[in-house]
Amino acid sequence: SQELEQSPQSLIVQEGKNLTINCTSSKTLYGLYWYKQKYGEGLIFLMMLQKGGEEKSHEKITAKLDEKKQQSSLHITASQPSHAGIYLCGAVHGSSNTGKLIFGQGTTLQVKP
Amino acid sequence: GAVVSQHPSRVICKSGTSVKIECRSLDFQATTMFWYRQFPKKSLMLMATSNEGSKATYEQGVEKDKFLINHASLTLSTLTVTSAHPEDSSFYICSAGVYRVFYTEAFFGQGTRLTVV
Repeated sequence: SQELEQSPQSLIVQEGKNLTINCTSSKTLYGLYWYKQKYGEGLIFLMMLQKGGEEKSHEKITAKLDEKKQQSSLHITASQPSHAGIYLCGAVHGSSNTGKLIFGQGTTLQVKP
Repeated sequence: GAVVSQHPSRVICKSGTSVKIECRSLDFQATTMFWYRQFPKKSLMLMATSNEGSKATYEQGVEKDKFLINHASLTLSTLTVTSAHPEDSSFYICSAGVYRVFYTEAFFGQGTRLTVV
């Protein structure tokens, strides 16, 4: 089974709608990264969360970390076509935190104008 | 911020030949780098951990003789796909960690799209 489960795997929303992507770890989380990617291109760093209860926002994207549930959520408010892409969560599972990340399956987001 | 540069960004090679992909940390030293592979419409799969001055650590199921990793200096790791076959066609991406006070931040290269014909 996956160490990091991401849901949903794909999402189609109407422009202006809100959406949430979840990322659940089967192992203890020592950090959680969110990235955006267009397939075949590099990763765009969105946010990194470290502490339980931590919440960060950048423009219309907010991410939270629930340490008890070993889960993170990424919320996009008033989605725009520019938000379309693949969203990846990457987990740090080791306490030494060398930068090694295990990724979820990814969520492909389409935003319909 | 830290910059990780990967080269080439795209490469096409003939079946049976070997291809080398470079990953450089431009403005910091990286004792550890990571190599990932991404299949079409799939997530990133960790292939191996590249350790400066020592052997790489490969993830389960990754053939070490097929994917040779060399980390000869603190700023350069290379991934060589040996005797490439069409099924090795993929997107390969490397990353390096920069140690901060309380955590290590991961920086990714731009990736390399390998096509084996």
